[in-house]
Amino acid sequence: GIQVEQSPPDLILQEGANSTLRCNFSDSVNNLQWFHQNPWGQLINLFYIPSGTKQNGRLSATTVATERYSLLYISSSQTTDSGVYFCAVELTGNTGKLIFGQGTTLQVKP
Amino acid sequence: SAVISQKPSRDICQRGTSLTIQCQVDSQVTMMFWYRQQPGQSLTLIATANQGSEATYESGFVIDKFPISRPNLTFSTLTVSNMSPEDSSIYLCSAGRFYNEQFFGPGTRLTVL
Repeated sequence: GIQVEQSPPDLILQEGANSTLRCNFSDSVNNLQWFHQNPWGQLINLFYIPSGTKQNGRLSATTVATERYSLLYISSSQTTDSGVYFCAVELTGNTGKLIFGQGTTLQVKP
Repeated sequence: SAVISQKPSRDICQRGTSLTIQCQVDSQVTMMFWYRQQPGQSLTLIATANQGSEATYESGFVIDKFPISRPNLTFSTLTVSNMSPEDSSIYLCSAGRFYNEQFFGPGTRLTVL
């Protein structure tokens, strides 16, 4: 089956720093989503990005589908950015099924 | 977007009992799914909840253990049957439309003693 790998697994930043999270996937996909799981377990939708670049405030994402990777950029990090960031890919075949990476755990220190 | 609610938000259950989790979506959606997140792990797809028919289960998950219903486009239930401590996890439902993003409920935190 498809493999979804995220790096780095853990990241510690000082408040105000920038970071890049990476998601590699091993096969063609219908689309890709980025989520932030807050400390209460809620999954927050960040980006729905099958290809191209999107920006939302301090966050932006780029997916290069032909090279099978996506990047999530966090600029000027804040303590509220802490949590786990997941990428998830939707399998081809119109099933809607999402396969999740193992996540990147981000800790932003004040 | 879709707003998804789940009940209960958390529960503590005894070994050998069953728990039914409800998932309600505020708008009609094409797809509904159930995921499990074991402690410290990522999310794993349990099954696709099909409206008016049997759910489609992923490898490693069976209907006897995780019966699922979806009587209409906006509601689904997942039952965790004959529970053991290994079933302690967060259970999440998701919903969406084809070629659109999926949204997740807040999850149900289950602890089995």
